[in-house]
Amino acid sequence: NAGVTQTPKFQVLKTGQSMTLQCAQDMNHEYMSWYRQDPGMGLRLIHYSVGAGITDQGEVPNGYNVSRSTTEDFPLRLLSAAPSQTSVYFCASSTGTQQPQHFGDGTRLSIL
Amino acid sequence: AQTVTQSQPEMSVQEAETVTLSCTYDTSESNYYLFWYKQPPSRQMILVIRQEAYKQQNATENRFSVNFQKAAKSFSLKISDSQLGDTAMYFCAFMSLNQGGKLIFGQGTELSVKP
Repeated sequence: NAGVTQTPKFQVLKTGQSMTLQCAQDMNHEYMSWYRQDPGMGLRLIHYSVGAGITDQGEVPNGYNVSRSTTEDFPLRLLSAAPSQTSVYFCASSTGTQQPQHFGDGTRLSIL
Repeated sequence: AQTVTQSQPEMSVQEAETVTLSCTYDTSESNYYLFWYKQPPSRQMILVIRQEAYKQQNATENRFSVNFQKAAKSFSLKISDSQLGDTAMYFCAFMSLNQGGKLIFGQGTELSVKP
């Protein structure tokens, strides 16, 4: 049972480049979310989804897009990377909005 | 808006001793969940313990227990018989039942267990 799988684990981008962080879960979880972790600030919610075809913004959505075409996948897109988006990104999933979330191992993203 | 505050950026404890990590939160809601997550150097986020606000009894998971004071909006984590493997960053988190499962995290407490 793989749980929540994030790819890649590490990535370096140049300012202005685009990329997609992948997140997949094999637990048939309806709820999925993306967080970013910055030093001294804990984790902050970027976007979340309560089911396929439904997404909503979290606390820090600017500069990021998401889509949820299947229950399993919840990719996070950076359309034009900025140095302020240098962070560690975590994807999480759960069976519902009132259940504990299972986290992936994170993606460390550096933008030069 | 809800906020979660962890006022201890760093703590240390000797192996086999007990340590308490503090967390306070601010909310106007009456129904919510509180969590403690552990993040070891491997970067994984691991759920340690969960408390439902409507339950008066404090949650316990093996060596981990909480002191939940709803009126004071306090949610501390006690680790008994500390082990070297407990060395990690610990995050307190709040989840409203009315806001789509969003987790609000504190800033974290870095715990070092010394041999």
